[in-house]
Amino acid sequence: QKEVEQNSGPLSVPEGAIASLNCTYSDRVSQSFFWYRQYSGKSPELIMSIYSNGDKEDGRFTAQLNKASQYVSLLIRDSQPSDSATYLCAVNKVEYGNKLVFGAGTILRVKS
Amino acid sequence: DTAVSQTPKYLVTQMGNDKSIKCEQNLGHDTMYWYKQDSKKFLKIMFSYNNKELIINETVPNRFSPKSPDKAHLNLHINSLELGDSAVYFCASSLRWDTQYFGPGTRLTVL
Repeated sequence: QKEVEQNSGPLSVPEGAIASLNCTYSDRVSQSFFWYRQYSGKSPELIMSIYSNGDKEDGRFTAQLNKASQYVSLLIRDSQPSDSATYLCAVNKVEYGNKLVFGAGTILRVKS
Repeated sequence: DTAVSQTPKYLVTQMGNDKSIKCEQNLGHDTMYWYKQDSKKFLKIMFSYNNKELIINETVPNRFSPKSPDKAHLNLHINSLELGDSAVYFCASSLRWDTQYFGPGTRLTVL
């Protein structure tokens, strides 16, 4: 079982729709969770971090965490073509020196 | 101002050569990392240093040797390059165990 699992996609949504990206993780002691966005040929860019169960909103982005189900999600409201990228879910293993374990990423395509 | 910078951006070399990649951060962070992203875009940590001390050393061939001369710099030296070393190498930094910020990457191609 992979430590962090994501559906590779591509996930295609029309412009203006809500994009829902999902991630599951295997290590129950994980405490910090991150969503990075990576455009083709560019470096990962942090868009959301979440540490507690529930929802965290930042502009058009909402991260959701459910530690009991070991599940993290990212919702993008009013999706724009500029949101088209690969979204990487990452789990922080502080007990291993702040080691970030990444999922394989979900490709999102927003069609205008 | 560039927060995390890497040089070179592209590196093309022959098998068997030795090469280095340099990383510098001006964020005042105390922890730096090297990640490798392979052709399938899977991003995996290789090393991390905290205050010049090696903290994480994943299962990486000993041909890879990181060096941290000070908190702001972390270099990666690779000996006897192999075809399988072709990838994008990202440097990242953080303040202690906080959020990690990535550099622009170095695309290494081994011929």
